[in-house]
Amino acid sequence: EPEVTQTPSHQVTQMGQEVILRCVPISNHLYFYWYRQILGQKVEFLVSFYNNEISEKSEIFDDQFSVERPDGSNFTLKIRSTKLEDSAMYFCASSGLREYFGPGTRLLVL
Amino acid sequence: GENVEQHPSTLSVQEGDSAVIKCTYSDSASNYFPWYKQELGKGPQLIIDIRSNVGEKKDQRIAVTLNKTAKHFSLHITETQPEDSAVYFCAASKNSGTYKYIFGTGTRLKVLA
Repeated sequence: EPEVTQTPSHQVTQMGQEVILRCVPISNHLYFYWYRQILGQKVEFLVSFYNNEISEKSEIFDDQFSVERPDGSNFTLKIRSTKLEDSAMYFCASSGLREYFGPGTRLLVL
Repeated sequence: GENVEQHPSTLSVQEGDSAVIKCTYSDSASNYFPWYKQELGKGPQLIIDIRSNVGEKKDQRIAVTLNKTAKHFSLHITETQPEDSAVYFCAASKNSGTYKYIFGTGTRLKVLA
């Protein structure tokens, strides 16, 4: 069964550093999403992406965040200058008829 | 704004008993309601979903009911097994494939052997 994959599985970074989280969505899906989950809390929507542009973003997705689909398969989330409160699990999702989630990247900002 | 409330936050049941998790959504334009199971360290996995033109859907030991008037939907797990232990999230969306999901706060289900 096709699945969404994400790399890396874990990322530790220093506050102020840039991180790029990578995702490979399911190949025939057209909509892509990033969500985050702070430890012990609910999954929160960050951004949706369609036709090479952002279709919606939440209040969390400020100027420090950006998304890109650099080629035909990858979908990336960049955090320009990480803050302690960016520590969370980041999930990529893609959708055809339904949304399928990747296994997540656990980001720890020290 | 868009919001999904989920109860209870934790639920312990004896193996073989039933478990019920309830959600309420605020946006009347929502028409798609998936349920996800999340095991420790993993991403949410879709276990069942329901669309607003249907009142109930069943898949083996799992069923979901929807009351559109009251904006409630519920997950029912019968004959629970230890491997059902996980965190369960409900979600609501205006469209299953093209719109963001708003998640509930999660229910930690523990099935006691």
